[in-house]
Amino acid sequence: GAGVSQSPSNKVTEKGKDVELRCDPISGHTALYWYRQSLGQGLEFLIYFQGNSAPDKSGLPSDRFSAERTGGSVSTLTIQRTQQEDSAVYLCASSRQPLGLAGGGTDTQYFGPGTRLTVL
Amino acid sequence: QKEVEQDPGPLSVPEGAIVSLNCTYSNSAFQYFMWYRQYSRKGPELLMYTYSSGNKEDGRFTAQVDKSSKYISLFIRDSQPSDSATYLCATSPGGSARQLTFGSGTQLTVLP
Repeated sequence: GAGVSQSPSNKVTEKGKDVELRCDPISGHTALYWYRQSLGQGLEFLIYFQGNSAPDKSGLPSDRFSAERTGGSVSTLTIQRTQQEDSAVYLCASSRQPLGLAGGGTDTQYFGPGTRLTVL
Repeated sequence: QKEVEQDPGPLSVPEGAIVSLNCTYSNSAFQYFMWYRQYSRKGPELLMYTYSSGNKEDGRFTAQVDKSSKYISLFIRDSQPSDSATYLCATSPGGSARQLTFGSGTQLTVLP
C-alpha cells in the first residue's frame, strides 16, 4: 500500500518568497503531523491535525508558518516571507489514531520522505 | 537543556559487533518511548515502540527503558552494514500531547 507522500522533494527559493509544501497521508489515518529537521538536529514538532478538531499549532516557530488540512486528508504547510533559517527538511507523518488513545500500534507515526527546503 | 539528549556520534563498528545507543530525558511525564531509523535522505521509520518501563525485543534489536534514571537504550546484536543509518530516540507523555519529542540522532556506520 502507499505510504505518506510529500511534494516537492526539493525546493529552492529566494529569501522573502512564499512556499507551499504538500503532504498526502496514508488513507484512513486520522492524525497528521508536521515536523522540521535541521542539519544535525532531531525532529522539531510544528503542528498536529486530528480529524475535524482544531489543530495543535504550539510548535509553529513564527506567524510566518501556517498549515491547513482539507477534507481530513491532504495537508499543506505554508511558509511566508521565507528566511535562510527556514532551510531544513520538512517531514510529514500520519497515524491511524492519535498517540496515547489506543494500543496495538495504531498510533504509530509513519513518516514521508520529506521536502528539503533551501532558502538562498 | 533539551528535553531529550542523544550523543550524535558518529559511531563506527565492525560487522557483527553489538551496538549500544542511548538517550536521556528530563521530563518524568514521558511514557511512550520509540526508536526510529533514518537512512540518508529518507524519512524516519519506526524500529521499536515501548510503553512505560521495561525491555522489548524484536529480532536483533532490544529496547530498554529505565524510567527511574530517565534512560533509554537500543541494542543491536550481530550488526550488519545495512544497519548503517541515523538512529533517533523519541518520546512523549501521551495524554493531551500527541507529538513526539526527538533526540538529535546518532549516526551509525557498520563496517564490512
